[in-house]
Amino acid sequence: AQTVTQSQPEMSVQEAETVTLSCTYDTSENNYYLFWYKQPPSRQMILVIRQEAYKQQNATENRFSVNFQKAAKSFSLKISDSQLGDTAMYFCAFMKHTGSARQLTFGSGTQLTVLP
Amino acid sequence: DTAVSQTPKYLVTQMGNDKSIKCEQNLGHDTMYWYKQDSKKFLKIMFSYNNKELIINETVPNRFSPKSPDKAHLNLHINSLELGDSAVYFCASSPSGSLWSGTKNIQYFGAGTRLSVL
Repeated sequence: AQTVTQSQPEMSVQEAETVTLSCTYDTSENNYYLFWYKQPPSRQMILVIRQEAYKQQNATENRFSVNFQKAAKSFSLKISDSQLGDTAMYFCAFMKHTGSARQLTFGSGTQLTVLP
Repeated sequence: DTAVSQTPKYLVTQMGNDKSIKCEQNLGHDTMYWYKQDSKKFLKIMFSYNNKELIINETVPNRFSPKSPDKAHLNLHINSLELGDSAVYFCASSPSGSLWSGTKNIQYFGAGTRLSVL
């Protein structure tokens, strides 16, 4: 079974600064996807960024980028130029392919607070 | 237009009651899911349906019964509610097909239903 570990329950960062959220996972699969989802106080789950395991290039989405280290099974999220609206719970997630289903396994989350 | 909609957003009920949560998606996706988020914010998959067929059934009590009348709907019925069922329940959907086909691996979530059992 896959496990996803987020070792930082809470983090804070000053507005406009950069912060990195860590995530490690354990799997015997070779092909999979990794995701970061954001859950603001509104409770909505919002996809931030995704990474295909077969791609060596790290994914980027505007201010968000990942550092994917497949051998180390590490998948950290870097947020540049942090904004107040980035305050949210961030979940790292692993997806494996089971027939026609895409089963997401989530980490325990990191509560990020952006300070003015 | 809301892509994945759940009703109700909040549900407060007494222990022992039976309740349902409805989910509808207008994205044309073939696969739908139910996740449970507990009081510590931990998210775990409960069920997944593909074209009305159950394909994932994690260790969930028999009191929980998903029903998919068509591929756009996946409802969750809970019998004999217990205090431990209090949580936020999320519905999600994704396209089917090869996992390695572009955006077919993305799951789109509803806004969640907060269930409180008293």
